[in-house]
Amino acid sequence: QVQLQQSGPGLVKPSQTLSLTCAISGDSVSSNSAAWNWIRQSPSRGLEWLGRTYYRSKWRNDYAVSVRSRITINPDTSKNQFSLQLNSVTPEDTAVYYCASRFVDRGMDVWGQGTTVTVSS
Amino acid sequence: QSVLTQPPSVSAAPGQKVTISCSGSSSNIGNNYVSWYQQLPGTAPKLLIYDNNERPSGIPDRFSGSKSGTSATLGITGLQTGDEADYYCGTWDSSLSVGVFGTGTKVTVL
Repeated sequence: QVQLQQSGPGLVKPSQTLSLTCAISGDSVSSNSAAWNWIRQSPSRGLEWLGRTYYRSKWRNDYAVSVRSRITINPDTSKNQFSLQLNSVTPEDTAVYYCASRFVDRGMDVWGQGTTVTVSS
Repeated sequence: QSVLTQPPSVSAAPGQKVTISCSGSSSNIGNNYVSWYQQLPGTAPKLLIYDNNERPSGIPDRFSGSKSGTSATLGITGLQTGDEADYYCGTWDSSLSVGVFGTGTKVTVL
């Protein structure tokens, strides 16, 4: 079965870049039927979909409007994983970050364990 | 921030039924599938319903989903104390090309 394992720092300084990785087992990041998402959750913003990457003849990305100017989600086919980079973070980016597989409307059936990220100096 | 509206809380006695609504628009629920997630305290969300009304393997038939127009509904029958959790709807917004979640509903078993 598919499993997702997240890694990355839990503390990031303001104005710096938040970087997280999600390692995939049991599926391929290059699958033509999958999509790989990042979601975050905070008391003030609830569950917030951040973006996704997926392969359909070529790599494609979709990003939330709220972070579109600051976010990059990249696949890493050599390590079968995908990553999140969020630039110029502020304390408002403090949240629990999750990676998840498949589609928010068709059902995201596998989630990572979550990473609590605090933005503070 | 959420574009999908849910009631903040619902409650009922053990064995009873609750329904949770999720209200959206034609650009999201009206033209896309809806999924539902259960989140127990301190854990990641868990998929309960996909494609409006389908249950993944292992999800009991006490949980059901439906969609009509620009709204969706999650039903839980035979309420159990283990059902106390937060529940979220999710879908795609075709106008914005983004995923969207509901505001979340806390279920309390009295």
